[in-house]
Amino acid sequence: EAQVTQNPRYLITVTGKKLTVTCSQNMNHEYMSWYRQDPGLGLRQIYYSMNVEVTDKGDVPEGYKVSRKEKRNFPLILESPSPNQTSLYFCASSLIFGTGDNYGYTFGSGTRLTVV
Amino acid sequence: AQSVSQHNHHVILSEAASLELGCNYSYGGTVNLFWYVQYPGQHLQLLLKYFSGDPLVKGIKGFEAEFIKSKFSFNLRKPSVQWSDTAEYFCAVNANSNYQLIWGAGTKLIIKP
Repeated sequence: EAQVTQNPRYLITVTGKKLTVTCSQNMNHEYMSWYRQDPGLGLRQIYYSMNVEVTDKGDVPEGYKVSRKEKRNFPLILESPSPNQTSLYFCASSLIFGTGDNYGYTFGSGTRLTVV
Repeated sequence: AQSVSQHNHHVILSEAASLELGCNYSYGGTVNLFWYVQYPGQHLQLLLKYFSGDPLVKGIKGFEAEFIKSKFSFNLRKPSVQWSDTAEYFCAVNANSNYQLIWGAGTKLIIKP
């Protein structure tokens, strides 16, 4: 089944303790992206990647890192989490040059992160 | 810069009422348009999309959207909503040459049984 897999689904951590949220897709998509979703603010893009070893900042990259060593994986790293990073995080992937039926973002199930 | 505007942040309707959620974008060139739905506690799922051709697009679960180029709009409609349509709805746009989606802020739809 074509899917984007995120882990963990729920995470509670303490301020300053490094954590990684994993994201993996099995559709051979070039493009992957991380979003955070906060009430009243919609989806805000954190980082995205066009392909292996190619990453770029989105709208709210501060406090986050990403890597794209393999096409299928795009982990989100919080080196020193703070309470303002408490949010719902989504990973998404898509083809870059798809058209019509084969184009669109596929989202992971989300990771609800609480930093205390 | 491109932007997407969803007119209503919250909409409350009774079952069987008709629905129209507004979406306007700011980009003068060719665009691809999407509506995504997020049911409570779930991830975003594609509801429908427009790439070209018939501006009236039909999606899943009885939803449809009409692309009106002159109005830069892509409004989502459903003739008769059900309680199970309670969700948050997001409009998104990308220009043909750009794989990035620009997202609206979302509209929370609550259907009263």
